[in-house]
Amino acid sequence: AQSVSQHNHHVILSEAASLELGCNYSYGGTVNLFWYVQYPGQHLQLLLKYFSGDPLVKGIKGFEAEFIKSKFSFNLRKPSVQWSDTAEYFCAVRDLPNDYKLSFGAGTTVTVRA
Amino acid sequence: DGGITQSPKYLFRKEGQNVTLSCEQNLNHDAMYWYRQDPGQGLRLIYYSQIVNDFQKGDIAEGYSVSREKKESFPLTVTSAQKNPTAFYLCASSIYGLAGLGDTGELFFGEGSRLTVL
Repeated sequence: AQSVSQHNHHVILSEAASLELGCNYSYGGTVNLFWYVQYPGQHLQLLLKYFSGDPLVKGIKGFEAEFIKSKFSFNLRKPSVQWSDTAEYFCAVRDLPNDYKLSFGAGTTVTVRA
Repeated sequence: DGGITQSPKYLFRKEGQNVTLSCEQNLNHDAMYWYRQDPGQGLRLIYYSQIVNDFQKGDIAEGYSVSREKKESFPLTVTSAQKNPTAFYLCASSIYGLAGLGDTGELFFGEGSRLTVL
């Protein structure tokens, strides 16, 4: 079964600092990769996803993520965070072609101080 | 507005009682899912359904049951057999249950139901 590891449980940053959240997965076959975000009081929503092609994907609100197949990683980045980026971030992986279910990481809480 | 509606938002239950959480979607999605969210553990899949009248166990199905009699509805029953039911429960849907043509892979989530067992 797929397992997803997010290395940081809680990250605290100041506005304008750069953010990088790590995500590693265990299954070595074909995968789809996702980052979801949960802002305070809101439901989970998709931030970005990777299916194939350019391993550097761009999402909403200035976020991007890089898929490195050799490292089984899909790290999320943002060059300059804002207070409104305070949220919980989840990495998720879907194995193909046999198992389309999403496996989620434990999540990383990001707190941005004004 | 299209989306997923979960009810109730908060629920208290005595030990030994079954409780059913409602999930309704008007997105015309084929697939629906139930996840459990616990602090520090992320989201764990309880049950999922690719199509009406069909569902499969996820990673932590013990003590739970579901039904999928209508495309738009996927209720979850937390039974008394579930040893640690206090949690936040999330329902989600996706356009298709299988990765293939037209699949976006995106899950749409409800706002969740928080169950507390007293």
